[in-house]
Amino acid sequence: DQQVKQNSPSLSVQEGRISILNCDYTNSMFDYFLWYKKYPAEGPTFLISISSIKDKNEDGRFTVFLNKSAKHLSLHIVPSQPGDSAVYFCAASASSFNKFYFGSGTKLNVKP
Amino acid sequence: DAGITQSPRYKITETGRQVTLMCHQTWSHSYMFWYRQDLGHGLRLIYYSAAADITDKGEVPDGYVVSRSKTENFPLTLESATRSQTSVYFCATRQSMNTEAFFGQGTRLTVV
Repeated sequence: DQQVKQNSPSLSVQEGRISILNCDYTNSMFDYFLWYKKYPAEGPTFLISISSIKDKNEDGRFTVFLNKSAKHLSLHIVPSQPGDSAVYFCAASASSFNKFYFGSGTKLNVKP
Repeated sequence: DAGITQSPRYKITETGRQVTLMCHQTWSHSYMFWYRQDLGHGLRLIYYSAAADITDKGEVPDGYVVSRSKTENFPLTLESATRSQTSVYFCATRQSMNTEAFFGQGTRLTVV
């Protein structure tokens, strides 16, 4: 029973355009959400996070949006750069329990 | 002072053998996690620990054993390795459930 889902295995975007990566979750207890970026043969690296008390968090070219009623979050990358090409994982956790769940990942390809 | 280190980076073992993957952190973070990454499944939680001597099962714990006698170490043992345990294993640490997690570089395990 997957509690965090990324339904798009891959996404291809032109350099300079916006990349939108989506994530859905099922457990309403989740109160902290994160996005990670992963290059081949490396560990995931933290990108951006958002608490459930917010609906938007921005860090440079990266913005995460949270829609609690829809149990949906998205990561926007503007403008996309070829170096952004990687696998992106969304993750969710709850302060009331210690587990920390990841989605299956979306492979982003930014074309020059 | 690499923060979090996993060893070995690569391991080939035979079916039925016991193998231990090591994870060491220098931050004194309370939480530590073990994940496996498989194509199509993303990162799945095997075991986690909220503190020394406190461990609990994740999504896919069968066939694995963990211990945490010291805060800085969280070894993962495959008691009798099977081919289905061929995967890339990642260890992560987290200061609290409302902060980001940091990942090691991973251990690629092949069971033949």
